Amino acid sequence: DVKVTQSSRYLVKRTGEKVFLECVQDMDHENMFWYRQDPGLGLRLIYFSYDVKMKEKGDIPEGYSVSREKKERFSLILESASTNQTSMYLCASSPGHTQETQYFGPGTRLLVL
Amino acid sequence: DQQVKQNSPSLSVQEGRISILNCDYTNSMFDYFLWYKKYPAEGPTFLISISSIKDKNEDGRFTVFLNKSAKHLSLHIVPSQPGDSAVYFCAASSNDYKLSFGAGTTVTVRA
Repeated sequence: DVKVTQSSRYLVKRTGEKVFLECVQDMDHENMFWYRQDPGLGLRLIYFSYDVKMKEKGDIPEGYSVSREKKERFSLILESASTNQTSMYLCASSPGHTQETQYFGPGTRLLVL
Repeated sequence: DQQVKQNSPSLSVQEGRISILNCDYTNSMFDYFLWYKKYPAEGPTFLISISSIKDKNEDGRFTVFLNKSAKHLSLHIVPSQPGDSAVYFCAASSNDYKLSFGAGTTVTVRA
């Protein structure tokens, strides 16, 4: 079974703090993704990576950065957290071809005060 | 601008009856479509998919129908069970790695 794990289930941070969200997959997948899920908006892609050290912006990259130093690990960084970044953050991975299923982690619910 | 739209935010159905979830898309380059199911406090899990070369795909109680000319797909769940109560997301992909998701439909199956 594919397993995608996220470092925290719940996080509370203050405005202006730097926040790191970690994601690890154990299936040697090439592609990894970060989404945020908000009511009425579904899942929106923040960044994705198709190889180590490679990254591409998704639909809403502003205020975020990412890091992929190892194939199994993909980090999302909020450089200076703001209240409008309060959301559910979901990490996903996929094997590395087009037209394929993405496998999701359990999510991190982030509250920025 | 959302390219994948689920216009019904919620659906309530009696146990044993059919659930029909609808999804519309605007991007004619989409050629692969998926449905995901999500329980509260969990990540989405893959349910069923369909390629644009087909108009129907079936897996047990779940069937997805694709109408390319109308840019519309639907998910049928027959018979609906209490464990089917969840949020269902429609997703679409063109020939790349990314998925575009709809806003989701919350299904409640009543006993």
